[in-house]
Amino acid sequence: GIQVEQSPPDLILQEGANSTLRCNFSDSVNNLQWFHQNPWGQLINLFYIPSGTKQNGRLSATTVATERYSLLYISSSQTTDSGVYFCAVAVGGYQKVTFGTGTKLQVIP
Amino acid sequence: EPEVTQTPSHQVTQMGQEVILRCVPISNHLYFYWYRQILGQKVEFLVSFYNNEISEKSEIFDDQFSVERPDGSNFTLKIRSTKLEDSAMYFCARQGVGEQYFGPGTRLTVT
Repeated sequence: GIQVEQSPPDLILQEGANSTLRCNFSDSVNNLQWFHQNPWGQLINLFYIPSGTKQNGRLSATTVATERYSLLYISSSQTTDSGVYFCAVAVGGYQKVTFGTGTKLQVIP
Repeated sequence: EPEVTQTPSHQVTQMGQEVILRCVPISNHLYFYWYRQILGQKVEFLVSFYNNEISEKSEIFDDQFSVERPDGSNFTLKIRSTKLEDSAMYFCARQGVGEQYFGPGTRLTVT
């Protein structure tokens, strides 16, 4: 099956700093999503981005499908950004998604 | 507004007992998924369900597990005889146009 790797596994930031999270995947995908898992365990949809670039406030994401990677940018980080960030991919439409191992982000005041 | 709701939010059960986890879609959809996440690990696929039939299942989804949509609305995951290693967060997800939307999860604790 498809392999999904995320880096870095852990990240500690000072409030206000910027960061880049990376997701590499081993095969062509039809679906790529970024999620934020909050301290209560809920998976919050951040982006659906099988290709191209999107922005939502302080967050933006870029997927280069031909090179099989995606990046999530967090600017001016806040303590509420803390949690685990997952990317998840699917190789076809209406297919299960395969999650990466996540990046655990801690933003300290 | 949540796309799906799940009940209960937390369930504690004894080893060997049966549990039923429920997923309630906000609107009428055909594609659903169950995933689980053992504490500290990544989210893993269990089973997909389309038009009241299983369309794909993982190796984790053995004979202890079953899914159904008994009343055409609620979507259930049953674990017949729970084991300690079934302790996890269980997520229901529905298929949107491209992306999947996850419910808030049920935290299952087997003692």
